[in-house]
Amino acid sequence: VLTQSPAALSLSPGDRATLSCKSSQGVGRDRLAWFQQRPGQAPRLLIYDVVNRASGIPDRFVGSGSGTEFALTISSLEPEDSAVYYCQHYTTYPYTFGQGTKVEIK
Amino acid sequence: QVQLMQSGPEVKKPGASVKVSCQASGYTFTSHGINWVRQAPGQGPEWLGWVTGYNGNTRYADKYRGRLTLTADASTNTAYMELTSLQLDDTAIYYCARRTGLFDSRGYSVDTFGFWGQGTKVTVS
Repeated sequence: VLTQSPAALSLSPGDRATLSCKSSQGVGRDRLAWFQQRPGQAPRLLIYDVVNRASGIPDRFVGSGSGTEFALTISSLEPEDSAVYYCQHYTTYPYTFGQGTKVEIK
Repeated sequence: QVQLMQSGPEVKKPGASVKVSCQASGYTFTSHGINWVRQAPGQGPEWLGWVTGYNGNTRYADKYRGRLTLTADASTNTAYMELTSLQLDDTAIYYCARRTGLFDSRGYSVDTFGFWGQGTKVTVS
């Protein structure tokens, strides 16, 4: 089970956001990803293998962590970062997602 | 470029079945499997299962085993998801998704979902 916190954040442009994802058991081989989902869109891969940015993802998105505790940091929020963010493990099936953190830009 | 194009929205009665298609383009269909993920209103995504484009092998989430059938047709580069005995709480957006195609430093495939279809809204009412 992946537990994300906080459930929601409301921040201003330029602020730093830190999203947490805790796993009920260790995530093998660093198979932890982060997705961004804007309203009405499919999820978009941001980070894979804990720390690697997917193609075209700005460097303000930084993944970190190990074992059972992981984080996504958005270093300087832009208006277009308003979205729900999900973590996912993909060590073995069934791949599971967290319940998400909603980031609102004031 | 990799594209996954899904069929249109569906409205079904409780007890009915639904079949959603996902047509792939921009890559060799038999080289990658297709995952199916659903997202109920206000909820996080939920993995349903996987079908290989190579020989049709499948894996299912335990919760849907017996009610879910995934198939793949390599002649048309299309994967299908059929869910039977629909209930009200099957109302969701259903996505197909493909792995990244990347490999890590140890040579293992990075199997998270790098490519997604646009989603198909299934309403059970």
